[in-house]
Amino acid sequence: QKEVEQDPGPLSVPEGAIVSLNCTYSNSAFQYFMWYRQYSRKGPELLMYTYSSGNKEDGRFTAQVDKSSKYISLFIRDSQPSDSATYLCAIKGILQGAQKLVFGQGTRLTINP
Amino acid sequence: DAGVIQSPRHEVTEMGQEVTLRCKPISGHNSLFWYRQTMMRGLELLIYFNNNVPIDDSGMPEDRFSAKMPNASFSTLKIQPSEPRDSAVYFCASGQGMNTGELFFGEGSRLTVL
Repeated sequence: QKEVEQDPGPLSVPEGAIVSLNCTYSNSAFQYFMWYRQYSRKGPELLMYTYSSGNKEDGRFTAQVDKSSKYISLFIRDSQPSDSATYLCAIKGILQGAQKLVFGQGTRLTINP
Repeated sequence: DAGVIQSPRHEVTEMGQEVTLRCKPISGHNSLFWYRQTMMRGLELLIYFNNNVPIDDSGMPEDRFSAKMPNASFSTLKIQPSEPRDSAVYFCASGQGMNTGELFFGEGSRLTVL
C-alpha cells in the first residue's frame, strides 16, 4: 500500500465550477499536510500548508484535513482556466527515523472556459 | 532571487552512458532534495541532504545512482551506467530546514535514455 494515495484523474470541469481534490494516507505519523500546484513543464510550488485537522482558507482555495479518517482535501471555488495544472498533496512526518515529505501521484486538472 | 537552478534542462543519452545532473539551491537554504517524477510513479524522493550531509538515501533506486553535495551551493546526481528505465524528470528542491513542508523546486531536468 502506498503511503499517500491520490486519484491521478484527469479531471476536467467547466469554468466557475467547484473542484474537489482528495488524498488518503496510511500512517498516523504524518503531521503536516500540504498542497502543491505544478504547471506543465515546471516544478511544483507550494499552494497551501496546514498542520491541524479542520479547514484552512486562502482566497478561492480551502484545504481540509481529517486526521481521524486520514483524509485531506483541496477545494477550489469559482475555478478559472488559470487553475489548470496538476495538484499534488504532500504529507510530512517522521518515518523510519527521518523526516520525510511524501507526495501523492498528483491529479491533473483542466478548467474549460 | 533566481530560485533553484538545475542543469541541464534536457538530456538525451544512450544506454550505458554516464549522466550528471546539477543543482544550485537557493542561498541560505540548508536542506536539499532530489526527486524523480514519472507518469507511473509520480514524484519520488531519492535522497535529501541537511547542511550538506546526506540524511536519507533510502529512495535511491540502486548503486548506479549517487549524489553529492560538496558545499552549500551545489549538488550533483549521477547515474552510471544509465538505463532506459531511468528516463524521467529529475527535480532538485531546497528548503529552510525540515520544520515546514515548503520546498522550492527547480524546473527539472528531463532525462531520456535511449
